[in-house]
Amino acid sequence: GQQVMQIPQYQHVQEGEDFTTYCNSSTTLSNIQWYKQRPGGHPVFLIQLVKSGEVKKQKRLTFQFGEAKKNSSLHITATQTTDVGTYFCAGPANSGYALNFGKGTSLLVTP
Amino acid sequence: NAGVMQNPRHLVRRRGQEARLRCSPMKGHSHVYWYRQLPEEGLKFMVYLQKENIIDESGMPKERFSAEFPKEGPSILRIQQVVRGDSAAYFCASSPLEQEQYFGPGTRLTVT
Repeated sequence: GQQVMQIPQYQHVQEGEDFTTYCNSSTTLSNIQWYKQRPGGHPVFLIQLVKSGEVKKQKRLTFQFGEAKKNSSLHITATQTTDVGTYFCAGPANSGYALNFGKGTSLLVTP
Repeated sequence: NAGVMQNPRHLVRRRGQEARLRCSPMKGHSHVYWYRQLPEEGLKFMVYLQKENIIDESGMPKERFSAEFPKEGPSILRIQQVVRGDSAAYFCASSPLEQEQYFGPGTRLTVT
């Protein structure tokens, strides 16, 4: 079945450094979604990418969807302590309804 | 506009007891999804429901687990005869159509 892989599993940066997490799917995706989960919290929707090669920005966050629609990345410029959390990518499951989540990248930012 | 509501937030059950987890979707949302999250793991899809219908339960264990979304009232995930391996965070999400999902705060189930 379709699998979504994320790397790295953990990332520890100093405040102000950049951060990138990568997501790869075993199959072509119709869209990809990104979520953030703070420690002890619940996943919060960040963005959805649909088009091949699409790039979207939200302030310091840049999201990309690969040309083949099988990979995606999230880049954070100049991290802040408020960026701490786990970032998940998710693609539609084979059924088309549910989401297949990657295992996430846990970001720790130290001041 | 209230978000997705789940209760209880924390639930402790002894092995062999039943666990009932409730989820009220956001107003106007007719699609409900249940996910399970183990520590240090991603979310695993369990079941997708619309009002009075189970659309996709491919991620739900065949035994002891059931889900419903009645015409009136919240969606309920029911786990019978719980075992230690059922200890996890259970998240409910809702969406207006098959689009981005809005998650509730989760129910942390501990089986002792």
